[in-house]
Amino acid sequence: AQSVSQHNHHVILSEAASLELGCNYSYGGTVNLFWYVQYPGQHLQLLLKYFSGDPLVKGIKGFEAEFIKSKFSFNLRKPSVQWSDTAEYFCAVNRMDSSYKLIFGSGTRLLVRP
Amino acid sequence: GAVVSQHPSWVICKSGTSVKIECRSLDFQATTMFWYRQFPKQSLMLMATSNEGSKATYEQGVEKDKFLINHASLTLSTLTVTSAHPEDSSFYICSASNDREQFFGPGTRLTVL
Repeated sequence: AQSVSQHNHHVILSEAASLELGCNYSYGGTVNLFWYVQYPGQHLQLLLKYFSGDPLVKGIKGFEAEFIKSKFSFNLRKPSVQWSDTAEYFCAVNRMDSSYKLIFGSGTRLLVRP
Repeated sequence: GAVVSQHPSWVICKSGTSVKIECRSLDFQATTMFWYRQFPKQSLMLMATSNEGSKATYEQGVEKDKFLINHASLTLSTLTVTSAHPEDSSFYICSASNDREQFFGPGTRLTVL
């Protein structure tokens, strides 16, 4: 079955540290890829998305992600995190041949210490 | 991005009663809407896919008679939790799709006493 794996369940960083959150998926066909963020007590917000083209995608709030097709990966990065980045981050994938259903990873809870 | 609303944002009900949750796409017409469930500190689990004017498609393990979905128009889908029990307490989230991307509502927290 298709799955999305987020390897880091909990990450704790100090402000200004660099961030990389891993995301791998198991489907071999064409996919759309997403990273969502959920701040405490708030709803899901889209950080960035990849449909096609340049595999390095830039999103909001200084986040970026790189799609590496050969590795089935779509890792999220930010060079310097802030306390306000404390949130839960979800990677999600949908297959181009499905009914646009999103398969979510288990999420990574990021805590940034001031 | 597009705006999706949910109503109510939270609800508390007694065991055995039914609860209806509304999901509206405010500024676009959504041919497909999705309903998710999120348990505390867990990821979103897709419950069903709702298409306007047709029956919803439920994911494996989701009881269609318990979670009734009605997609009456291109801007409104409703989820009714029938005969709710404490184990149905959860955070229910809807999304509306423009065929490439999903836009998420703020969620509804259901507590069944």
